[in-house]
Amino acid sequence: DAGVIQSPRHEVTEMGQEVTLRCKPISGHDYLFWYRQTMMRGLELLIYFNNNVPIDDSGMPEDRFSAKMPNASFSTLKIQPSEPRDSAVYFCASSRGAGNEQFFGPGTRLTVL
Amino acid sequence: DAKTTQPTSMDCAEGRAANLPCNHSTISGNEYVYWYRQIHSQGPQYIIHGLKNNETNEMASLIITEDRKSSTLILPHATLRDTAVYYCIVRVYGGNQGGKLIFGQGTELSVKP
Repeated sequence: DAGVIQSPRHEVTEMGQEVTLRCKPISGHDYLFWYRQTMMRGLELLIYFNNNVPIDDSGMPEDRFSAKMPNASFSTLKIQPSEPRDSAVYFCASSRGAGNEQFFGPGTRLTVL
Repeated sequence: DAKTTQPTSMDCAEGRAANLPCNHSTISGNEYVYWYRQIHSQGPQYIIHGLKNNETNEMASLIITEDRKSSTLILPHATLRDTAVYYCIVRVYGGNQGGKLIFGQGTELSVKP
């Protein structure tokens, strides 16, 4: 298996632009997670899905952030409009079952100018 | 979820055992101890988890005290590639909220030649 795939790996955009991050989980995994990592706040869980349904979005910072999972093999995290404070590395992870090992993707490094 | 306390940083000589402590004095009976690590610029990687018995796998050993208020992750023969930030996380296994991983600041382990 190729592991969790994220795209793009790097994204540079200007403040006010829409940004879409993409994730393909490992086939057969029923949980998908979005995390954000910054120097100031460390690794934060933003939202997670079970069988394509959002279970907990309490970590989503504000309405500018939205996440979808239209099917078992694809998820997006969208920021609209983007702001410089959104600059971070965004990780996607998946697992088979709630308590089992989470496999993380390589991350998307987002820079908002 | 119970909080964890870890030393900010540790050094270890290459080839020696690395013992990383974690305090989780408020752990509940149904909470497991998980360890993940993050090598620079990569996504976190699962290492091991346990409830109350000691656990061992190909990567490490996990020693949990009898009262479950603390644990130690042991890397038996540390190599330079084990240099990373190590996270100790306590959470419920499974259930509706069992998927959440709450990362603290972790321990930055430096393995030196």
